[in-house]
Amino acid sequence: GQQLNQSPQSMFIQEGEDVSMNCTSSSIFNTWLWYKQDPGEGPVLLIALYKAGELTSNGRLTAQFGITRKDSFLNISASIPSDVGIYFCAGQLSGSRLTFGEGTQLTVNP
Amino acid sequence: ETGVTQTPRHLVMGMTNKKSLKCEQHLGHNAMYWYKQSAKKPLELMFVYSLEERVENNSVPSRFSPECPNSSHLFLHLHTLQPEDSALYLCASSPRLAGGAYNEQFFGPGTRLTVL
Repeated sequence: GQQLNQSPQSMFIQEGEDVSMNCTSSSIFNTWLWYKQDPGEGPVLLIALYKAGELTSNGRLTAQFGITRKDSFLNISASIPSDVGIYFCAGQLSGSRLTFGEGTQLTVNP
Repeated sequence: ETGVTQTPRHLVMGMTNKKSLKCEQHLGHNAMYWYKQSAKKPLELMFVYSLEERVENNSVPSRFSPECPNSSHLFLHLHTLQPEDSALYLCASSPRLAGGAYNEQFFGPGTRLTVL
């Protein structure tokens, strides 16, 4: 089956720094989604990407759908303490089945 | 209530107990899902329902029994669970079952289950 490799597994940064994380797949997807999960909560959708090469922003967050359709990255600019959480990528090829990455744990030191 | 809600938020049960998890979506969606989230593992899809009909069952043990009485409600009935079943159980919904643009899944807050 499809597998997603998400990296890094964890990041420790200072407030104000920029963050970059990515996901790569062994096969293509038609949709890439990025979610954030706070402790004790469910994942919340941040950005959805539908076309290869698409670059989409949501405030300080920017995500891109790789041109090969096998990868995606998420950037967070000027991080703040409330950015702390686990960030998940998810790919979708057909139907509504999502394949999730293992997550990137982000810690922001004030 | 808005979005996807789940009750209870926390549940502790013994291996001989029978309990149920409830999910309700207020988004007018037609597809609903149960996921299991264990520490340091990707989300595991358990069941998929479309218009109250189960369309996917990913080799989940029979001690987990889903029920979807209508497109807004989804239950997960639990009986004779094992300690390794302790996890966060997430419910999600999407507008429809077919993939494609603008068909993202929206998640509830989850039920933290502990099996003693």
